[in-house]
Amino acid sequence: AQRVTQPEKLLSVFKGAPVELKCNYSYSGSPELFWYVQYSRQRLQLLLRHISRESIKGFTADLNKGETSFHLKKPFAQEEDSAMYYCALRGLTGGGNKLTFGTGTQLKVEL
Amino acid sequence: DAGVTQSPTHLIKTRGQQVTLRCSPISGHKSVSWYQQVLGQGPQFIFQYYEKEERGRGNFPDRFSARQFPNYSSELNVNALLLGDSALYLCASSLDSSEQFFGPGTRLTVL
Repeated sequence: AQRVTQPEKLLSVFKGAPVELKCNYSYSGSPELFWYVQYSRQRLQLLLRHISRESIKGFTADLNKGETSFHLKKPFAQEEDSAMYYCALRGLTGGGNKLTFGTGTQLKVEL
Repeated sequence: DAGVTQSPTHLIKTRGQQVTLRCSPISGHKSVSWYQQVLGQGPQFIFQYYEKEERGRGNFPDRFSARQFPNYSSELNVNALLLGDSALYLCASSLDSSEQFFGPGTRLTVL
């Protein structure tokens, strides 16, 4: 079975402060990990995926297979980062295109 | 391209009724996936179709069914609606097992 855990429902930080959104996963095979973001009144969209190893909008995430984690980080939070963030997993072992999502973390950046 | 489109936007049904939700993928995308998002939870995988064939099925009862048409659009059908089926139903399209692009969703309310 595959499972994604996001322990924080809400994370509130001040503008300019570092951000870390936690994500842990459980999967017996090789996973592909993603972060999706949903801004207010917009559709769910891909923020980044671990295989691309990109930095998008200043966010980075490193897959740590030993700790089964894929935490999302940004050194300096901006007001426009306020949104709902979902961590998701796709199993690369016969998993098709099924994404398993966590429950999401609402990030609120305060001025 | 308007991206993934879904219809209707909102829907209200009563228990026991049947509902059909529709999805049009991005032009050129051959894979469509359906997700159910209950309030406060992350999206949960229902089905994936690729080239009109079912590629994956989530842990949902047989009341849920779907199909994909030759133009790659898709329908999700839910029979014998229960109060617990009230949710946002998301459709996502992709080329194959690549990045999934989500639609705005259909909000289903069962009374």
